[in-house]
Amino acid sequence: NAGVIQTPRHKVTGKGQEATLWCEPISGHSAVFWYRQTIVQGLEFLTYFRNQAPIDDSGMPKERFSAQMPNQSHSTLKIQSTQPQDSAVYLCASSLRWGSQNTLYFGAGTRLSVL
Amino acid sequence: GQGVEQPDNLMSVEGTFARVNCTYSTSGFNGLSWYQQREGHAPVFLSYVVLDGLKDSGHFSTFLSRSNGYSYLLLTELQIKDSASYLCAVRWPNYNVLYFGSGTKLTVEP
Repeated sequence: NAGVIQTPRHKVTGKGQEATLWCEPISGHSAVFWYRQTIVQGLEFLTYFRNQAPIDDSGMPKERFSAQMPNQSHSTLKIQSTQPQDSAVYLCASSLRWGSQNTLYFGAGTRLSVL
Repeated sequence: GQGVEQPDNLMSVEGTFARVNCTYSTSGFNGLSWYQQREGHAPVFLSYVVLDGLKDSGHFSTFLSRSNGYSYLLLTELQIKDSASYLCAVRWPNYNVLYFGSGTKLTVEP
C-alpha cells in the first residue's frame, strides 16, 4: 500500500499562470478530500468527493479554483491565474468509508510557490 | 477554522507529560479527531472521540467534554521524538467535513 500519492511534490509558478495538482487516493477508498495548509491559516478545507461525486466544495475560492475526480484512482485540483496568496502546501486525503470510519490518510502534499 | 481553537505552542520535558488543549463550538458537533504532524510531513491520525470521558490508548489518551466544547490530548512518558504539531479536528454534520484547528507545536526538551 503506497498511501496517498500527490504529484508534483513542489511546483513553482509565475503570477497569472495555471497550476494543476494531482492526487491518487489509496485504492478502494471512497472519499477524497483536498486541504491547503499555510502558517497563517493552518489547515483549511477546500473540497470533498465521495465515490467520485462532489459533495462539498464550500472551502473552494470559487473564481479560480476547481477540482475534479474523473475516476476512482485520481483527483485533480486546478488553480487558474495563480496569485501569490495561493502559495501553500496542498494536501489530499482519502478515507475508506468516511462517515462510518473516521480516519483520513493524508498524502505528503504539493508545495505550491507563486512568484 | 469553524471555531476550533488551540494554543500555538507548548513545551515540556522528556519523561514527563504534556496536555494539548482544544476548544470548539458545540453547535452540531459530530466527533473530534487528533492528528500528529511532524515538520515537513503530512498529518497522521492518532485518535477519534465522540463520547464524553477519557479514552486511554497508551502513550496517547484523549478526553472529551461535549457540553463544554473541550477536548485534550494527553501524552505521557514524553520522548524527544514526540516533538511535533498536534492538530485537533472537529466534524460537523454538514456532509461530515473535518475542520482543523491551527495546531499546537509541542517541543519536548531533554
